Amino acid sequence: GQQLNRSPQSMFIQEGEDVSMNCTSSSIFNTWLWYKQDPGEGPVLLIALYKAGELTSNGRLTAQFGITRKDSFLNISASIPSDVGIYFCAGRIDTNAGKSTFGDGTTLTVKP
Amino acid sequence: NAGVTQTPKFQVLKTGQSMTLQCAQDMNHEYMSWYRQDPGMGLRLIHYSVGAGITDQGEVPNGYNVSRSTTEDFPLRLLSAAPSQTSVYFCASSPWQGVKQYFGPGTRLTVT
Repeated sequence: GQQLNRSPQSMFIQEGEDVSMNCTSSSIFNTWLWYKQDPGEGPVLLIALYKAGELTSNGRLTAQFGITRKDSFLNISASIPSDVGIYFCAGRIDTNAGKSTFGDGTTLTVKP
Repeated sequence: NAGVTQTPKFQVLKTGQSMTLQCAQDMNHEYMSWYRQDPGMGLRLIHYSVGAGITDQGEVPNGYNVSRSTTEDFPLRLLSAAPSQTSVYFCASSPWQGVKQYFGPGTRLTVT
């Protein structure tokens, strides 16, 4: 099956700094998704990307769908303490929303 | 709407015991999925359903059964619990060809 590799595994940053994380896949996806998981809760969708090269923003978050369709990145600008959590990428081949492949997640710590 | 609800929140089982994790959604979503999340890792798909009466296997289906008799409910059965099934289990739902999966709060299962 598909494998998603995320980078980095964890990040410790100062409040106000920008953050960048990415995922690469062994095969192509038709949809890339970025989720955030707070401690003790389920993941929540942040951004969805539908076509190669697409760049989408959601507030301080910006994500891009790689041209090769095998990678995606997520940027967070001007980080704040509530950005703390685990960020997951997920890829989908078909329109079946129930069959997403998840990466292992990047743990973000923001120091005030 | 309550969204996606899961019961119980915590469970401890002995090796060999069986149990059912409950999942319900009140959004009339066609797709429902079960994932497991091991420490430091992403979510892995166990089983999913595209509608009442239709289920299929995900990446890691061994040791688990599902059924979907109604649109609302999608229970996950552990047939004979093993320590390797110690994990956090998340149920998710999404509408037909919808991008966004709505996750429940999770069930934390420990098998001793």
